[in-house]
Amino acid sequence: EIVLTQSPATLSLSPGERATLSCRASQSVGTSLAWYQQKPGQSPRLLIYHASTKATGVPARFSGSGSGTDFTLTISSLEPEDFALYYCQQRKNWPLFTFGPGTKVEIK
Amino acid sequence: EVQLVQSGAEVKKPGESLKISCRCSGYRFTDSWIAWVRQMPGKGLEFIGIIYPDDSDARYSPSFQGQVTISGDKSITTAYLQLNGLKASDSAIYYCARQAGAGKASGSYYLDYWGQGTGVTVSS
Repeated sequence: EIVLTQSPATLSLSPGERATLSCRASQSVGTSLAWYQQKPGQSPRLLIYHASTKATGVPARFSGSGSGTDFTLTISSLEPEDFALYYCQQRKNWPLFTFGPGTKVEIK
Repeated sequence: EVQLVQSGAEVKKPGESLKISCRCSGYRFTDSWIAWVRQMPGKGLEFIGIIYPDDSDARYSPSFQGQVTISGDKSITTAYLQLNGLKASDSAIYYCARQAGAGKASGSYYLDYWGQGTGVTVSS
């Protein structure tokens, strides 16, 4: 089973700052990695798939990169609505895909 | 517009069973896998299982195998998650989500549309 590790667990930043979130897989998943955003009381929302492709309607400040075992979600300049939880997800063992434990981006 | 609308919150007693529904619209229901995901209070996302509605091929995470049943009804474009022998630890929010891409072997994996979630509380 592939395990996803996300770091840091919590990221404390101010609006306007750059956020860099990491997702590491225990073995290579190629570029089959997605990122989701979840705000309190809401369902998760797809942000990025295939490691770097933005989903429909996702603002340009969000970008994804990486391949193999190391992936990054970058928010270039945090807006107030970006403070949320972020999860990565892989498909190596489809259909038994797994999620990472999440990174919370909170206001400093 | 693609929509996944789930049934409402439930309060159950230990040992009871529960069937959560996920009514799908705005796309060809039989063409896309539907996944179920659990989120326990204050915790992350856990994959439960997935179903291909056209032939009801259902696959389960080993962690949930035998504990849940996933089914679908093509006639009313609805997927279901049945939980049996409920325990307090089953208290959670359960989400359905559509796997992107059409076709059983689409090669997709990411979940592009999500239901609003169904809160389940199990308490004596």
